[in-house]
Parts: sequence; structure tokens; C-alpha cells
Amino acid sequence: GDSVTQMEGPVTLSEEAFLTINCTYTATGYPSLFWYVQYPGEGLQLLLKATKADDKGSNKGFEATYRKETTSFHLEKGSVQVSDSAVYFCALSKSSGSARQLTFGSGTQLTVLP
Amino acid sequence: KAGVTQTPRYLIKTRGQQVTLSCSPISGHRSVSWYQQTPGQGLQFLFEYFSETQRNKGNFPGRFSGRQFSNSRSEMNVSTLELGDSALYLCASTQNTDTQYFGPGTRLTVL
Repeated sequence: GDSVTQMEGPVTLSEEAFLTINCTYTATGYPSLFWYVQYPGEGLQLLLKATKADDKGSNKGFEATYRKETTSFHLEKGSVQVSDSAVYFCALSKSSGSARQLTFGSGTQLTVLP
Repeated sequence: KAGVTQTPRYLIKTRGQQVTLSCSPISGHRSVSWYQQTPGQGLQFLFEYFSETQRNKGNFPGRFSGRQFSNSRSEMNVSTLELGDSALYLCASTQNTDTQYFGPGTRLTVL
């Protein structure tokens, strides 16, 4: 079945450091790929998405490129802030007929220190 | 536009009881999905409803059920609660695309 593998956490960085969180997926066909972020005590917020190969999703300084050849969708940010501290989830969505469901990675806890 | 809302936000029940959680999707969204989040199993898909019909179901026992009303609001029900049902239950809605928008969740604690 479909699956998403995320870089093990937790990740601790200093403010203004470069961030990479690795994400690879296994799926047949052409899934859409997503990054969601979860702040303490909250639900999931959509951070960015890409729907086809070579698409780059971007939002709030975060970027990820859909690489079909390496089945990857790594999240990057050039300069993290304390407010970026959260749990980040990589996910894929593949429609089966008209039905849809998200398959998530295990999440990566990011802590940014001032 | 208002986001996805879920009620209640917190719930405490005892083993053997049943519980009903409610979700109101974003206006105009007709698809509602439910997910369970636990520290051990992560985020797992429960089911999806579209136009009052369940069109996809995850690998959960029959104690977990749901429904959707004509205004797209959805409820999920868990009967005969077990300790392992303690989790954050998340609802997501979509305008029938791949992009799902999540609510804040209902935190269920089973004692």
C-alpha cells in the first residue's frame, strides 16, 4: 500500500539556521503531496502542496519540490524562526475513484532556539 | 470564510460508554474525512463522507461509525469505548479536491 517515510526527529536548530526535513513516499500512480504543520494543542494546518512532478510548493519561506525520480518531497527553509517550532507532517493523497484519503508520515518535531 | 469547526474540543468518558463527535466543514465543502491521531499510531484515516454517503473507510473496527447530513455536517460515533480510543480526532473538509483542511480536533480521554 501507499506509505510516507519522514526523517526521524526531534530536530533542534538555532534561530536563522537552515532547515531540511526529509520525506520519501511509496505509491503507485501520481499522488498529490503535502506538508502540514501542527502547533501544540491545535489541528493540522496546510503548509504547502504539489500536485505533479517537478512542482514546487512554497509558503511562509518554506519550500518543497515534488521529485518523482527519487519519490521525495523534502521540506526546506533558509532561515528558521522560534515561531516555526512545531510538528511537521508529510502526506500524500491519492484518489481511488472518487474517494480520497491522506496517508501521513510519522511527523517531525522541530524546536528552534533563540 | 470560517474554517472547519469541531465540537466538543475536549471530552472525558469511561470505558464502555459511547461518544459522538461533531464536525462542521468549510462552507461549500461537501466532503468530510475523519482521522485519529495517537502518539503510538500517528495519524490514521477513519472514513470519508461525500453527499451523505460513506465512500471510503479505513481499517478500524465497527465500533467506529459516522454519518453526514444534508448540510454536509458530519458526526462520528464510537461505541463501547476502550482505553485505546483515547486520541485526538481530527475532521477535515475539501471541495472534492485532494487538498484537505483540518479542524482543531476533539481530544477524547477514556478512563
